[in-house]
Amino acid sequence: DAGVIQSPRHEVTEMGQEVTLRCKPISGHDYLFWYRQTMMRGLELLIYFNNNVPIDDSGMPEDRFSAKMPNASFSTLKIQPSEPRDSAVYFCASSVGSGWGTDTQYFGPGTRLTVL
Amino acid sequence: ILNVEQSPQSLHVQEGDSTNFTCSFPSSNFYALHWYRWETAKSPEALFVMTLNGDEKKKGRISATLNTKEGYSYLYIKGSQPEDSATYLCACMDSNYQLIWGAGTKLIIKP
Repeated sequence: DAGVIQSPRHEVTEMGQEVTLRCKPISGHDYLFWYRQTMMRGLELLIYFNNNVPIDDSGMPEDRFSAKMPNASFSTLKIQPSEPRDSAVYFCASSVGSGWGTDTQYFGPGTRLTVL
Repeated sequence: ILNVEQSPQSLHVQEGDSTNFTCSFPSSNFYALHWYRWETAKSPEALFVMTLNGDEKKKGRISATLNTKEGYSYLYIKGSQPEDSATYLCACMDSNYQLIWGAGTKLIIKP
């Protein structure tokens, strides 16, 4: 398996623009997680899905952020409108089974977002 | 909600020396603890997951122990090599299924 795939790897945009980040989880994994990594706050869980259904979005910073998982092999994280403080590396991860407790999360390579 | 602390924040170790660092968490409501290794410009990779007090896991020169009663886990690296340079993250889950990540310990191996 190719692992978790994210695109784009790098995104530079201007404040106010819409940004869409994409993730393809590992085939057969039931859980998908979106994380944000910043120098100030470390690794933060934004939202996670189980079988394509959003379970916990309490980590989503505000209404400008939205995430969808239309099918088992694809998820998007959208920021509209983007702001400079959204600049960060966004990771997608997936896991099999419960996704919690003892299951390992497999991370994608991340998308480095820069909002000017 | 757990507060997961890792110390030290960064660590410089001479190649060939052994080292260790700590992940601390509240001992109440503990469910599981994960260690991940995160190399610069790459994504985090899982090292260990531990659930039971006294658990000890080993992978090559890296090992980890868990003390759920006092709320800490140690990660040990024996005979550090340059390729061990990375940030080591721990993530702890409580019985309410809240997964909280520590800020990491950045390990730099000096040749």
